[in-house]
Amino acid sequence: EDQVTQSPEALRLQEGESSSLNCSYTVSGLRGLFWYRQDPGKGPEFLFTLYSAGEEKEKERLKATLTKKESFLHITAPKPEDSATYLCAVQARGAQKLVFGQGTRLTINP
Amino acid sequence: GAGVSQSPSNKVTEKGKDVELRCDPISGHTALYWYRQSLGQGLEFLIYFQGNSAPDKSGLPSDRFSAERTGGSVSTLTIQRTQQEDSAVYLCASSLNRRDSFFGPGTRLTVL
Repeated sequence: EDQVTQSPEALRLQEGESSSLNCSYTVSGLRGLFWYRQDPGKGPEFLFTLYSAGEEKEKERLKATLTKKESFLHITAPKPEDSATYLCAVQARGAQKLVFGQGTRLTINP
Repeated sequence: GAGVSQSPSNKVTEKGKDVELRCDPISGHTALYWYRQSLGQGLEFLIYFQGNSAPDKSGLPSDRFSAERTGGSVSTLTIQRTQQEDSAVYLCASSLNRRDSFFGPGTRLTVL
């Protein structure tokens, strides 16, 4: 069964303090790994899709990386507006649905 | 903007009543998904539509749940005889290429 585990569950940082969020996964053949950002009371906002080990993608202060077992979302010099829950999901080859982790709730204090 | 829209944004109902939730996908997106997000839980897949193909209903939790997609566009998720455990945020997503899925704002369902 495809599974996604995110850690930590919650993370508090000071503004400017860089860190990484982890997404460990097991999947029967990876089609894609997805990162989303979700603000309270809103739907998930698409950030990145990674398809193969070694791939990296960047957007502003965020960089996502992928290995065969896990993905990291690196956040560099975060700002308070980066506070949100970050969701990781995998899609197996031949499957249509995304399997989500429980998310990491990130808080950036000014 | 031309994002995914859902209605209503909030729905409060009494146990045993039927409810209908609506999703308008991004124009031209052929794939449409419904997910459920319960308090403290991850997103749970419910159902998937792709073009005119038979939907993948493998995530529907019981036969009280059904969904349809008319004309390859708008979708309606129906929950019959609602139970308190149905309380959750119901999220719709659409995709052009079955890869990058874009979510709507969700419908928060509360069953009293």
